[in-house]
Amino acid sequence: EAQVTQNPRYLITVTGKKLTVTCSQNMNHEYMSWYRQDPGLGLRQIYYSMNVEVTDKGDVPEGYKVSRKEKRNFPLILESPSPNQTSLYFCASSSPTGTGGWDTEAFFGQGTRLTVV
Amino acid sequence: AQSVTQLDSQVPVFEEAPVELRCNYSSSVSVYLFWYVQYPNQGLQLLLKYLSGSTLVESINGFEAEFNKSQTSFHLRKPSVHISDTAEYFCAVLLPDYKLSFGAGTTVTVRA
Repeated sequence: EAQVTQNPRYLITVTGKKLTVTCSQNMNHEYMSWYRQDPGLGLRQIYYSMNVEVTDKGDVPEGYKVSRKEKRNFPLILESPSPNQTSLYFCASSSPTGTGGWDTEAFFGQGTRLTVV
Repeated sequence: AQSVTQLDSQVPVFEEAPVELRCNYSSSVSVYLFWYVQYPNQGLQLLLKYLSGSTLVESINGFEAEFNKSQTSFHLRKPSVHISDTAEYFCAVLLPDYKLSFGAGTTVTVRA
């Protein structure tokens, strides 16, 4: 079954304690990204990766890090979490076509609800 | 900058009534447009998409959306909703760097 798997689904942590949210996809997609979802703001992109070892900032990258050492994995790292990073996080993957367009959908994980106290 | 505006944050509707969710985008280039649905406590699922061709696109569960270039709109409609359509709906536009830019979302609550 094609899927994007995030772990953990729920996490409560304290300010300053480093954490990693994992994301893995089994579709051999080149493109992966992280979003955060906040009420009234929709989804905002944190970081994205076009392929292995290629990552770039999205709209709200401050306080986050990512890595793409393997095609299937794209972990999100919070080196020193703060309460304003309390949010619902989604990982997504997709595969732009060879013609330069995008005729496949973006697949989303189930989400990780993070609370920083 | 390209962006997406969803004009309604909350849409309450009775079962079997029609619903329309409005979406406008700003773009100076050709766009790919999407509607995603998020059911309670779940991730986002693609509902339908417009890439090119016919301006009217349909989903398997009765939703349709029409791409209107002159009005820069991509409104979502369903002629008769069910309780199971209760969800949050997001309009999105694909930017040239393959980033999906999302609207703020519209929460649809279907009541019996």
